[in-house]
Amino acid sequence: DAKTTQPTSMDCAEGRAANLPCNHSTISGNEYVYWYRQIHSQGPQYIIHGLKNNETNEMASLIITEDRKSSTLILPHATLRDTAVYYCIVRGSHIRDDKIIFGKGTRLHILP
Amino acid sequence: EPEVTQTPSHQVTQMGQEVILRCVPISNHLYFYWYRQILGQKVEFLVSFYNNEISEKSEIFDDQFSVERPDGSNFTLKIRSTKLEDSAMYFCASSEVGTNEQFFGPGTRLTVL
Repeated sequence: DAKTTQPTSMDCAEGRAANLPCNHSTISGNEYVYWYRQIHSQGPQYIIHGLKNNETNEMASLIITEDRKSSTLILPHATLRDTAVYYCIVRGSHIRDDKIIFGKGTRLHILP
Repeated sequence: EPEVTQTPSHQVTQMGQEVILRCVPISNHLYFYWYRQILGQKVEFLVSFYNNEISEKSEIFDDQFSVERPDGSNFTLKIRSTKLEDSAMYFCASSEVGTNEQFFGPGTRLTVL
């Protein structure tokens, strides 16, 4: 079972920052937080991952709390193409072929 | 940008028939996976494959399923005798050594009648 809790759905206005929360209170010291998204009828797409430091790439920023029990994915300037289901995933290893256990995710609607 | 490809995009078959779903992983990737997603449900892990053998498989991946890397580029999922409940989107994914970032293909929609 997924080790994370996410809101079922969220709305965000186009051009604004979308902040997607995730709780992972049972995360252990060697587990990473990964974010994927799935645009309708497409395969999941990797967004970002982190261990304890905040991370940023061209798609998003990941803010992990100091106790690592929760995190927030930030899409800085949401567009209509960011409408998707976003999955927060806790994974046990950074370098092995660890399977992904998907939860139900957050359905993000970007509103024009 | 390199990507995972899957064929066919949609497969319709009769119950009891065998189907083979095909995937071409990204060329320098060595870890391969199959997942499935029944309509309206979560994406579920089926199997992982490395060095020409199965690394891990889920309870879903029973004796009716098999995987193969028949050559240096293709990775296939075979369902020997399809059931109605096998109707789903099947996603192939791959990752390279040293990273756990999995790249997913666009999926094959399997419809069993």
